[in-house]
Amino acid sequence: NAGVTQTPKFRVLKTGQSMTLLCAQDMNHEYMYWYRQDPGMGLRLIHYSVGEGTTAKGEVPDGYNVSRLKKQNFLLGLESAAPSQTSVYFCASSSPRRTTEAFFGQGTRLTVV
Amino acid sequence: DQQVKQNSPSLSVQEGRISILNCDYTNSMFDYFLWYKKYPAEGPTFLISISSIKDKNEDGRFTVFLNKSAKHLSLHIVPSQPGDSAVYFCAASARETSGSRLTFGEGTQLTVNP
Repeated sequence: NAGVTQTPKFRVLKTGQSMTLLCAQDMNHEYMYWYRQDPGMGLRLIHYSVGEGTTAKGEVPDGYNVSRLKKQNFLLGLESAAPSQTSVYFCASSSPRRTTEAFFGQGTRLTVV
Repeated sequence: DQQVKQNSPSLSVQEGRISILNCDYTNSMFDYFLWYKKYPAEGPTFLISISSIKDKNEDGRFTVFLNKSAKHLSLHIVPSQPGDSAVYFCAASARETSGSRLTFGEGTQLTVNP
């Protein structure tokens, strides 16, 4: 009964370092998303995927890359971390049915120093 | 351009009273609206939704009202309980949007005092 699982839960990076955030879902959902949450700004969409092997840019894609090699996994990469990428990152998944909600992971708190 | 706005960053109510959280949107293409609840250190969880063909949807203590002409929706919680204290996000999606992706408001911190 895991739902959406994000790895890691916390991370501190130095400016310029790279890392990958992993999201895994066990609900066989077609759609997956990466959001970031910053104080006073709600959740903003970084990238999303409508199926295995496909990705698309969201509202704030700069500085991030993603891959969806397997249906159940959606990876978010930071090639060269910047302090502006300090945030809480949430992965979500949903089915293509219009009237279903998105399910979220527990979040990854990333600090770039 | 904030397409979904929650103008109240915080709201405080007494236990047992009604909590009313508001949300405004600007994109007339939005046709499906959701409310999410978020506790600290957890991901958002779905609370209730409404389609644009309805003006009200009720689920237990939670009711969402939609006023399409005003591009406004509200979430009513009656009666409010201390366990309802959380951040509430309003979200919207449009039929023509690829991936049914959601646009979120800034969130409202609800505090229910015992």
